[in-house]
Amino acid sequence: KAGVTQTPRYLIKTRGQQVTLSCSPISGHRSVSWYQQTPGQGLQFLFEYFSETQRNKGNFPGRFSGRQFSNSRSEMNVSTLELGDSALYLCASSREGLFGRAETQYFGPGTRLLVL
Amino acid sequence: SQQGEEDPQALSIQEGENATMNCSYKTSINNLQWYRQNSGRGLVHLILIRSNEREKHSGRLRVTLDTSKKSSSLLITASRAADTASYFCATADNQGGKLIFGQGTELSVKP
Repeated sequence: KAGVTQTPRYLIKTRGQQVTLSCSPISGHRSVSWYQQTPGQGLQFLFEYFSETQRNKGNFPGRFSGRQFSNSRSEMNVSTLELGDSALYLCASSREGLFGRAETQYFGPGTRLLVL
Repeated sequence: SQQGEEDPQALSIQEGENATMNCSYKTSINNLQWYRQNSGRGLVHLILIRSNEREKHSGRLRVTLDTSKKSSSLLITASRAADTASYFCATADNQGGKLIFGQGTELSVKP
């Protein structure tokens, strides 16, 4: 089975621009979660999508948004980029377990975003 | 926000030695997972232990969970240079889709 894929792998943007990152989950996985990783804050949860609906949301400003398509592929968007948004953005997918609970999360290689 | 602490923050050992990493968390959990990350790449899932389990093994890995103390430990036996990486614990609540990570332990295994 193919793993989680993320595109693009690297991205350079300037302050004020917006960016869209894409994630394709493992086939059959309906839950997709997004995380931001920075040296200062570590790994932080952004949001989770399940069956095209946002099921869980982290503590990030509204500039961070996402969506999920009917084939479970997901995108996240960051508008009005700030220098502090420079980070590794990781996407993870998981299959539905008991009572619809997401189980083990399988991570993609990440998108490294640099904001200048 | 981080769920808790990982201890130690960095660990350096020789090949063949055992490595033990500890993780503490704050809230009630459904399961706790351990991940490995090499040089800022994606995370690789190592093992998942449920809240009603106390110990789990996978190859050279042994994980324990003490829900009364809200802590877990990861033991890697007979370490290899290839085990050099950052190790993270992460907790999941009953929904499961949101993992809360510790700040990680950097393990260096010298040949």
